[in-house]
Amino acid sequence: DTGVSQDPRHKITKRGQNVTFRCDPISEHNRLYWYRQTLGQGPEFLTYFQNEAQLEKSRLLSDRFSAERPKGSFSTLEIQRTEQGDSAMYLCASSLPFGSSSGANVLTFGAGSRLTVL
Amino acid sequence: DQQVKQNSPSLSVQEGRISILNCDYTNSMFDYFLWYKKYPAEGPTFLISISSIKDKNEDGRFTVFLNKSAKHLSLHIVPSQPGDSAVYFCAASEDKLVFGAGTILRVKS
Repeated sequence: DTGVSQDPRHKITKRGQNVTFRCDPISEHNRLYWYRQTLGQGPEFLTYFQNEAQLEKSRLLSDRFSAERPKGSFSTLEIQRTEQGDSAMYLCASSLPFGSSSGANVLTFGAGSRLTVL
Repeated sequence: DQQVKQNSPSLSVQEGRISILNCDYTNSMFDYFLWYKKYPAEGPTFLISISSIKDKNEDGRFTVFLNKSAKHLSLHIVPSQPGDSAVYFCAASEDKLVFGAGTILRVKS
């Protein structure tokens, strides 16, 4: 397993366009998370899935953002009508099923997809 | 509301010395605390964690201390090496991880 893969690594778009990011988690991980990181800040939670079910969305998440995980494997994050404030690094992470270990819920992150909105 | 705070944006340490990174939190319901390290153009990578019922966890050169009464934790790196230069994030665990803003560590050789 090569870890968490994200595609594309970089995306430059014009304001108002739609963009979609893809995440392929580690195969035995059933939890998948999306985070956003801007310069000088830590990763900010957006949403997470357990299998194909979206269990939580950040209340700060605009309606222009939508995430799917149709078959419980890969996930997509779509941003509609992009704005300059959407420029950020979008990070995907995955983790083992809840309760599968007695320790912390360790998230394994991908390298991220950097979005620049002009 | 910032539930996890890292108040030092940066830290510079001489190679071989101890690096101490600090983190404060507000939510007493967090069950685990984790430290992640991030290099440029890479995602954060897990370093070490501690349960809320422990006060210390050690893994090689890395030790995390937890003071529940003060809602404070710290990461000690001894001895510091130039390859430790990175951004360090403190995170607290609910179903998801809540991250601090990070501390840039620079280890000078």
